[in-house]
Amino acid sequence: GQQVQQSPASLVLQEGENAELQCNFSSTATRLQWFYQRPGGSLVSLLSNPSGTKHTGRLTSTTVTKERRGSLHISSSQITDSGTYLCAMERAGGNYKPTFGKGTSLVVHP
Amino acid sequence: SVLLYQKPNRDICQSGTSLKIQCVADSQVVSMFWYQQFQEQSLMLMATANEGSEATYESGFTKDKFPISRPNLTFSTLTVNNARPGDSSIYFCSSRDWGYEQYFGPGTRLTVL
Repeated sequence: GQQVQQSPASLVLQEGENAELQCNFSSTATRLQWFYQRPGGSLVSLLSNPSGTKHTGRLTSTTVTKERRGSLHISSSQITDSGTYLCAMERAGGNYKPTFGKGTSLVVHP
Repeated sequence: SVLLYQKPNRDICQSGTSLKIQCVADSQVVSMFWYQQFQEQSLMLMATANEGSEATYESGFTKDKFPISRPNLTFSTLTVNNARPGDSSIYFCSSRDWGYEQYFGPGTRLTVL
């Protein structure tokens, strides 16, 4: 079946450092979407792009569909960036049924 | 974008009881999705609910255990029947906008004793 692997599982940074989160998937994807999950559990959509690079604020999402991978770059990390980052892959050719990875837990220290 | 609201935000119930989780969207949406998330695990799609039709369930989830109603384009209800401790998790409703981005409700944290 479809699998989405995220790495690293956890990451600890000092405030101001950059983070690079990886997402690898086993099927051809039509869309990769990144979510931020707050410590309390709520989810926020960050970026969605089928391929190429997309920016918003300090976030950059890059998807290389042919290589079945994506990444989320967080520049100049802040304490409030702490939480879990999930990627979700939508498979080509099927009904909309995104598959989620287990997430990367990010902790940013002052 | 789509804003989704869920009620209750958390619940504690006894084994064998049933509970309902409501989801309301701030605009009309074609499909609503229900997800289950165990602690430190990924989100699992439970079912897809379209207005006026039976929900479509994913493997491992059944209509008898998790009946879903979708009476109109802004509302859905997930029921957890005969709740067991193994059902303790966070339940999210979700939908998409016309740009196909996915949005989630705040989640309902369920604890079954």
